[in-house]
Formats: sequence, structure tokens, C-alpha cells
Amino acid sequence: EDKVVQSPLSLVVHEGDTVTLNCSYEVTNFRSLLWYKQEKKAPTFLFMLTSSGIEKKSGRLSSILDKKELFSILNITATQTGDSAVYLCAASIQGAQKLVFGQGTRLTINP
Amino acid sequence: GAGVSQSPRYKVAKRGQDVALRCDPISGHVSLFWYQQALGQGPEFLTYFQNEAQLDKSGLPSDRFFAERPEGSVSTLKIQRTQQEDSAVYLCASSLEGGEKLFFGSGTQLSVL
Repeated sequence: EDKVVQSPLSLVVHEGDTVTLNCSYEVTNFRSLLWYKQEKKAPTFLFMLTSSGIEKKSGRLSSILDKKELFSILNITATQTGDSAVYLCAASIQGAQKLVFGQGTRLTINP
Repeated sequence: GAGVSQSPRYKVAKRGQDVALRCDPISGHVSLFWYQQALGQGPEFLTYFQNEAQLDKSGLPSDRFFAERPEGSVSTLKIQRTQQEDSAVYLCASSLEGGEKLFFGSGTQLSVL
């Protein structure tokens, strides 16, 4: 059975801290690894990673994929209260148009 | 449209009632998806349309769940004889093509009493 596991499930830090969110996957016919940010209800796309070792960056957020060890990390530096959200990791599958999501990490940034 | 629009935002149903959830995707998006998100969990795939064709319905949990997209635009997810375990947020998403970079709506929160 295809599975995506995220850790930690919940994280509370102070504004300005750096955080690392973890995602491991066991998926047959893996195609890509995606990160989404979910504030309130609608997840919004952050990154898609298909190649190992190549960091993707967007402002204070960055992510990298390790296809040998089957995991990805999402880093957020100099966190702000607006970064508070649930961060979802998902794997896509070759030959199927669907995503397998992890449980999410609930990140809370305190001022 | 500017984004994916779902209605209603909230739906309360008595056990055994039928419900219909609507999704209006971004104009021009070929692919449309339905996901179910239980409280504290990640979204789970239900079904996928390419234009009006339902190409994958492997995630529909039972034959009480039915989805359609008759003209390749608006989609409706229907749940017959609702059960308490159907309580969840139902998310619709669309994309230009493929199932990776998705644009999600704000969901319909269904509560079955």
C-alpha cells in the first residue's frame, strides 16, 4: 500500500526560528514529491520535486528530495506568524493522476 | 473564474439523506479531482475527470458515492444515504493537465448527524 508519513505532526516555534519538516514515502512507481500549504481549508502548491539532491527555493522556503532514502524536507527560515499553517507532503504516481498525501504537519509560529 | 469555487461551504445532513456538492473549476482547466479530508488527516483521492470523462474512480469508498462532470466544466459529487463516517471536508481541485500541480477550492464541510 502506498504511504506518505510526515513528522513532526505538530510544531510550535517562535517568530524568527528556522524549522525543518520531514516527509518519508513508500510508493510504487513514484513520480514526484509535492509540498502544499493549507491555511484554513484550501491547500496551495509550494514545490514539486522530481530529482534527487536539487534544492528548490522560494523566498524563505526551500525543499530537497532524496530518492535513495525516500524522503524530503521542507525548510522555512526566519519564520513569520503568516507561516502558521498545515504543511502537506504528497507523492504522485506514474500512470495515475492522483496524489497520496501524508497526515500533515501543523506549524504554529508564536510572536 | 479566478479560482476553484465550491458550494455549499457547509452542509449538515441527517443520516440517510442524499447530498450534492458542487465544484466550479478554473476556466479552461481540463483536469478535475475530488478529495476527501477527515479531521486531522491529509486529503484522500476520490476520483478524477479529464474533461467530461471520469478516468479514475478508484478512491470512491462505496457505491453510495457518485460524481459527474457532464459538460466538462462544473462537477457534482453526490452521496446517497449519508452515514456518519461520511463527515469530512470534500475538496475539489483542478489543473490545466495532470494531477500534480493542483488548484484547490475551499471545500465543503459535510457533517452527518
